[in-house]
Amino acid sequence: EPEVTQTPSHQVTQMGQEVILRCVPISNHLYFYWYRQILGQKVEFLVSFYNNEISEKSEIFDDQFSVERPDGSNFTLKIRSTKLEDSAMYFCANSVPSGTQYFGPGTRLLVL
Amino acid sequence: KNEVEQSPQNLTAQEGEFITINCSYSVGISALHWLQQHPGGGIVSLFMLSSGKKKHGRLIATINIQEKHSSLHITASHPRDSAVYICAAPDSGGSNYKLTFGKGTLLTVNP
Repeated sequence: EPEVTQTPSHQVTQMGQEVILRCVPISNHLYFYWYRQILGQKVEFLVSFYNNEISEKSEIFDDQFSVERPDGSNFTLKIRSTKLEDSAMYFCANSVPSGTQYFGPGTRLLVL
Repeated sequence: KNEVEQSPQNLTAQEGEFITINCSYSVGISALHWLQQHPGGGIVSLFMLSSGKKKHGRLIATINIQEKHSSLHITASHPRDSAVYICAAPDSGGSNYKLTFGKGTLLTVNP
């Protein structure tokens, strides 16, 4: 069965550095999402992407964040000038027209 | 924005027990998601249901659209069922809207 993959699985960075999280979606899935989960808290929506455009973004998704599709298939989530509070698990997800969402395994980001 | 509430927050059971986790949401939706999150953090989709009941192995999910309530049941629970179970609802009627997640129910099944 096709899977969503994410790299890296873990990332440790210094405060103020930029990080790039990568997601390889399931091909032919049209809807893409980035979510994050701060340790001990619930999963939160960051941004959704449809038809090669951002379709919605949350209040969390400010100018510090950006989403790109550099090669037309893979997705990246870039976090500029990381802060301690950016430490979280970041998930990408795809969905099919029926609405079922397939989640990647996540990237655990730790900002020191 | 949909508000999603789950109960209980924590649940401990003995192997073999019947488990029920409840979820309520505030905005009418087309479908509700039940997800499982293992200690390593990965999230797996268990069910997406829009009406009635769905069954997969020992897992059963039910939904009452009018009452904006859903339940996840596990029959003959097993220690390998230990995980966090999360319900999530789209923010609008469409099934491909972003999800709002509940806080999750931490299930521990003891042998």
